[in-house]
Amino acid sequence: GQQLNQSPQSMFIQEGEDVSMNCTSSSIFNTWLWYKQDPGEGPVLLIALYKAGELTSNGRLTAQFGITRKDSFLNISASIPSDVGIYFCAGQEDGGSQGNLIFGKGTKLSVKP
Amino acid sequence: NAGVMQNPRHLVRRRGQEARLRCSPMKGHSHVYWYRQLPEEGLKFMVYLQKENIIDESGMPKERFSAEFPKEGPSILRIQQVVRGDSAAYFCASSRRQGSGYTFGSGTRLTVV
Repeated sequence: GQQLNQSPQSMFIQEGEDVSMNCTSSSIFNTWLWYKQDPGEGPVLLIALYKAGELTSNGRLTAQFGITRKDSFLNISASIPSDVGIYFCAGQEDGGSQGNLIFGKGTKLSVKP
Repeated sequence: NAGVMQNPRHLVRRRGQEARLRCSPMKGHSHVYWYRQLPEEGLKFMVYLQKENIIDESGMPKERFSAEFPKEGPSILRIQQVVRGDSAAYFCASSRRQGSGYTFGSGTRLTVV
């Protein structure tokens, strides 16, 4: 089935640094979502993107829906210790089932104070 | 304003037993989705249900797994004759409209011994 390629797999950064991660697919998506998951919890939606080229911010987080509709990135500016967690991209394939989100394998973020 | 409620949070079953996982969607949400997450992996879609209807079960294993979302009460994911490979975190999400505004629960962690 369709897979999302998410990179990097993990990141170790210093507090205050900016972070960038991205996701690519082999087919066209009509929705891109970015989630954060803390240990033992479910994913929490950070940003939702619905149009090609869309750039959306949520506090220190910014995400973009790639113009080709096959990629998306998430940036975190001025990271803080509570940004630690696993970040997942997810999307809905164009023409796919409305209920079926496809997830990347996640980017594990570690922040050193 | 309770979120998506899943119970139990942790479930231990011996091989061959049945596992029943429950999900109560957010108030006003009539769409429910079940996902499975293996360690170090992203979430994998299993099934999408509306009240009394299965809309998409393309991610469900053909045998031993079933799901329902009755007119009254929570959605149930049922796994019969569990095997070690069923050990995973199972997440439920709900939405008000089809394919949008997903909110995830905290998951049920199933361990088969």
